[in-house]
Amino acid sequence: AQTVTQSQPEMSVQEAETVTLSCTYDTSESDYYLFWYKQPPSRQMILVIRQEAYKQQNATENRFSVNFQKAAKSFSLKISDSQLGDAAMYFCAYRSAPGRGGSQGNLIFGKGTKLSVKP
Amino acid sequence: DVKVTQSSRYLVKRTGEKVFLECVQDMDHENMFWYRQDPGLGLRLIYFSYDVKMKEKGDIPEGYSVSREKKERFSLILESASTNQTSMYLCASSLWTSRETQYFGPGTRLLVL
Repeated sequence: AQTVTQSQPEMSVQEAETVTLSCTYDTSESDYYLFWYKQPPSRQMILVIRQEAYKQQNATENRFSVNFQKAAKSFSLKISDSQLGDAAMYFCAYRSAPGRGGSQGNLIFGKGTKLSVKP
Repeated sequence: DVKVTQSSRYLVKRTGEKVFLECVQDMDHENMFWYRQDPGLGLRLIYFSYDVKMKEKGDIPEGYSVSREKKERFSLILESASTNQTSMYLCASSLWTSRETQYFGPGTRLLVL
């Protein structure tokens, strides 16, 4: 079974600085998808960024980028120019490709990293 | 914009009560999911459904059941609520393929006394 590990329960960053959140996963599959979700306090969980395992290029969305190391099974999230609104729980998630794992696209989540942004 | 709504943001129930949590999505998504979120444990899948009247157990289905009579609506049922079911419950939906993003509702914080 696949597992997702976020080794940093809490992180802190100064406003305008850069922070990297770690995520590792374990799988025997070669085709899958990885996600970072953001859950602000008392607000809805939203997708931050998505990476397809078959793509070598790291995904980027504005100030958010990932460092995807497939061989090392590592998928870290880098937030540049941190803003107060980036304070949230961040969850790393794994999803099998179609036809794999007997599922219809279930997400397997890490336990989350709580990010604080200091003004 | 995809919209996933949940019937209640906060709910207080007594032990032994039957509890219904409702989720509605407006984007004609095939897949719908119920998760439970607890501090330090992340999100754990309770049940999911990939079509009307179809359901599959997730990682922690014990003490829960689900119903999907219409494509847009997915209900989570606690047959006899217990204190260890006090938690945040999140509903999500997505198109049928694994590539697609899951969209989440705002969550229902349930307290069982």
